[in-house]
Amino acid sequence: NAGVTQTPKFQVLKTGQSMTLQCAQDMNHNSMYWYRQDPGMGLRLIYYSASEGTTDKGEVPNGYNVSRLNKREFSLRLESAAPSQTSVYFCASRRRVEETQYFGPGTRLLVL
Amino acid sequence: QKEVEQDPGPLSVPEGAIVSLNCTYSNSAFQYFMWYRQYSRKGPELLMYTYSSGNKEDGRFTAQVDKSSKYISLFIRDSQPSDSATYLCAMIGYNFNKFYFGSGTKLNVKP
Repeated sequence: NAGVTQTPKFQVLKTGQSMTLQCAQDMNHNSMYWYRQDPGMGLRLIYYSASEGTTDKGEVPNGYNVSRLNKREFSLRLESAAPSQTSVYFCASRRRVEETQYFGPGTRLLVL
Repeated sequence: QKEVEQDPGPLSVPEGAIVSLNCTYSNSAFQYFMWYRQYSRKGPELLMYTYSSGNKEDGRFTAQVDKSSKYISLFIRDSQPSDSATYLCAMIGYNFNKFYFGSGTKLNVKP
C-alpha cells in the first residue's frame, strides 16, 4: 500500500518547455487534488477532481491543465513552463468529503 | 488580505516545553479545521481534524477552535525534538473540495 505517489521527484525545465506531473493513489479515493507550495504562500489549490470524470479550477489554475485519467491517476500538465511556476507540487487524495486529504511526497520543479 | 493568516516563525523552544501555534481567518463560512505537520522535503501529514468550535485532544496534541473569534490553536505538550517541523493550519467552508491553508509555522525543539 503505497498511498499517494508522484513522479518525477525533481525536474528542471527551460522556459517554454512542457511537462506532465504524474500522481497515482492506491487507496480507492474519489477526490484528487493538485497544490503548489511556495515560501510564505502556503499550499494553494491549482485544480481538483471531485470524482472520476470531473475536474474543477482551484485558486491558481492559470498555466496548468489536468486530466483525471481514471480513479487512481490525476496528472498535471504545464504546456509552456514559466519561471513563476518554479515551486513544489503536491498531489493529494481523499475518500469522502467527511475525511481529510492524504498528500504525496511532492515534485520539486525548477524552471530556468 | 489572505483568508488564513499564520505566523511563519521560526519558533524555537526547549525540549519539554508547551508549544502554542495559532491561525486566524476571515471567512465565517469555514467549518472544518485541520492541522498538518510537514517535515523538510516531505508532504504534509494530518495531525488533527476538528469540526466547529471546541477542543479536541489526541495524545500530546490539543486542537482548539474559537469560531466567534475566528481563531484556531494547536497545543503541543512535552515537546520533543522530533516535533521540529513546519505546522500548517487548513480550513474548509461550504465547498468541501477547497481547502485553505495557512503559510505554516516552523517549529524547532531544542534538545
